[in-house]
Amino acid sequence: SQKIEQNSEALNIQEGKTATLTCNYTNYSPAYLQWYRQDPGRGPVFLLLIRENEKEKRKERLKVTFDTTLKQSLFHITASQPADSATYLCALTRNRDDKIIFGKGTRLHILP
Amino acid sequence: DAGITQSPRHKVTETGTPVTLRCHQTENHRYMYWYRQDPGHGLRLIHYSYGVKDTDKGEVSDGYSVSRSKTEDFLLTLESATSSQTSVYFCAISEYGAGMNTEAFFGQGTRLTVV
Repeated sequence: SQKIEQNSEALNIQEGKTATLTCNYTNYSPAYLQWYRQDPGRGPVFLLLIRENEKEKRKERLKVTFDTTLKQSLFHITASQPADSATYLCALTRNRDDKIIFGKGTRLHILP
Repeated sequence: DAGITQSPRHKVTETGTPVTLRCHQTENHRYMYWYRQDPGHGLRLIHYSYGVKDTDKGEVSDGYSVSRSKTEDFLLTLESATSSQTSVYFCAISEYGAGMNTEAFFGQGTRLTVV
């Protein structure tokens, strides 16, 4: 069956360091991979999207990589700040239908 | 924020009663989605719509039905609520289908408790 796994339920990172979150998938051929941020009591908010034929995408302090051979995406936050503390979700979409399927998320804590 | 409104925001209902949740958008986006979010399970797709009167099932559609009679409204109905349907429900919209360069915008969520 299709599976999307985010490697950690929770991750603690010291302020100023780079936080790296992992998203792995199996039995899936995604067209796009997206990353969202979710704060407690709120809906997810879109951050970045990367296509299957792209290796890397950047936006300010955020960087996403996509390796379709490894079936993995890495999400990096450089120079992390306490305000970056949140749950981060990866999501996959594919060409053959319009479903957006999410992983369970990783709770990131940036420690001051 | 994208113009998405979910109603009600909170609801407590009894087992066996029907419940309808509403998602209203002012963005004129074609695609609309209903998700539920539970601890340990993350966001799971219930149903989605790719146009007026066009809907399809997601990962966890049993016990749920949807309707979309207008572009702006997507209704989720629990025909006979069960305690296992206690959850936070999120509506999302996107301008294009998932096969194109698209992002989803989410509503604030509806917390449903079935007692």
